[in-house]
Amino acid sequence: DAGITQSPRYKITETGRQVTLMCHQTWSHSYMFWYRQDLGHGLRLIYYSAAADITDKGEVPDGYVVSRSKTENFPLTLESATRSQTSVYFCASSRGAAVSSNTEAFFGQGTRLTVV
Amino acid sequence: TQLLEQSPQFLSIQEGENLTVYCNSSSVFSSLQWYRQEPGEGPVLLVTVVTGGEVKKLKRLTFQFGDARKDSSLHITAAQPGDTGLYLCAFNDYKLSFGAGTTVTVRA
Repeated sequence: DAGITQSPRYKITETGRQVTLMCHQTWSHSYMFWYRQDLGHGLRLIYYSAAADITDKGEVPDGYVVSRSKTENFPLTLESATRSQTSVYFCASSRGAAVSSNTEAFFGQGTRLTVV
Repeated sequence: TQLLEQSPQFLSIQEGENLTVYCNSSSVFSSLQWYRQEPGEGPVLLVTVVTGGEVKKLKRLTFQFGDARKDSSLHITAAQPGDTGLYLCAFNDYKLSFGAGTTVTVRA
């Protein structure tokens, strides 16, 4: 199906384990983003990517790793999960990132991650 | 510290009442966006405002961009329970950044 999909929708993992959250979009959008959402903080940017093989840190990148070998995929890896990384994670994509471009961001349905 | 400050943090009103939420910053923006997020879903774009002083209407929702392009407001007329959600303002300067949001609850 067309759109942006995240998997898994729910994940429980243990402290210290590595976990990867997947994000796939079918529009060939250049920009992709990863956020975490916690009560009282809104959406905080973890990493973003302007194109394949181009990634950059956002507001809260520590403890996370991303890659973008293909335009349509943008996986997020927690190298050694901690309880503070318990959160809802959202992936988003947009065609452009400037006022002259179409900057509407489209979001996945989120992944609820619990680290125990 | 977030670049975009939203207020109030929470707002609970009765169906039929009006409400206004605010998005403020000390920075000047080329454009601002408003998104609405419903429980269990990702945010969805409502509007993008580009010109200082601009007013955009989307049915019962009115969006305004400040003259100095540092702030924006969202006004809902005759709120309905379907307007319940988290309202987020954002700007996109190659990294899409959000305010903390205003949680709006409209009681039937």
